[in-house]
Amino acid sequence: GAGVSQSPSNKVTEKGKDVELRCDPISGHTALYWYRQSLGQGLEFLIYFQGNSAPDKSGLPSDRFSAERTGGSVSTLTIQRTQQEDSAVYLCASRYRGDTQYFGPGTRLTVL
Amino acid sequence: TQLLEQSPQFLSIQEGENLTVYCNSSSVFSSLQWYRQEPGEGPVLLVTVVTGGEVKKLKRLTFQFGDARKDSSLHITAAQPGDTGLYLCAGVTGTASKLTFGTGTRLQVTL
Repeated sequence: GAGVSQSPSNKVTEKGKDVELRCDPISGHTALYWYRQSLGQGLEFLIYFQGNSAPDKSGLPSDRFSAERTGGSVSTLTIQRTQQEDSAVYLCASRYRGDTQYFGPGTRLTVL
Repeated sequence: TQLLEQSPQFLSIQEGENLTVYCNSSSVFSSLQWYRQEPGEGPVLLVTVVTGGEVKKLKRLTFQFGDARKDSSLHITAAQPGDTGLYLCAGVTGTASKLTFGTGTRLQVTL
């Protein structure tokens, strides 16, 4: 597709369950970012992938959060043992050159 | 820790009015970006300002970067309902172009 896509668009889960969120970046974009947007915290950086380099995980809030990027393209953000405070919109963005990041529509996660 | 404060937090105005949104930081960034986000969508980049004192115009939108590269403003002239949305400033740091987002300003323009 022409833009960044994310799936699912909405995810409702029960506290304690694991969830996986998927991001398909724009083809050819070497950089990929995950952000979280919540009412209390605004929009915050989670993790960054650049090519084959080790990811920058400095924004991950706890060790329940992890992400991988396979083949330099698709990325999956995994949240283990979800908590209610994990409820938020999770946004993915990709970048090729310069400072412009292109964002996907996000996945709205609700933890009951 | 939120490093970028935006004001006002909410703004409801009528079509045709002018408005200014402010973005203030305690840190210096290599550049600063402004985004607009609509419900159910990701933020969309409006502009990047790089040089202290820089002014950029995008139709009815005027963006200014402070001389010390710590603050910025967005001025909208003759607002239209299509300007409604969440406006976010973001500071850019490092070669990774990591973004630190502001607290956001929610704008509603009514007829």
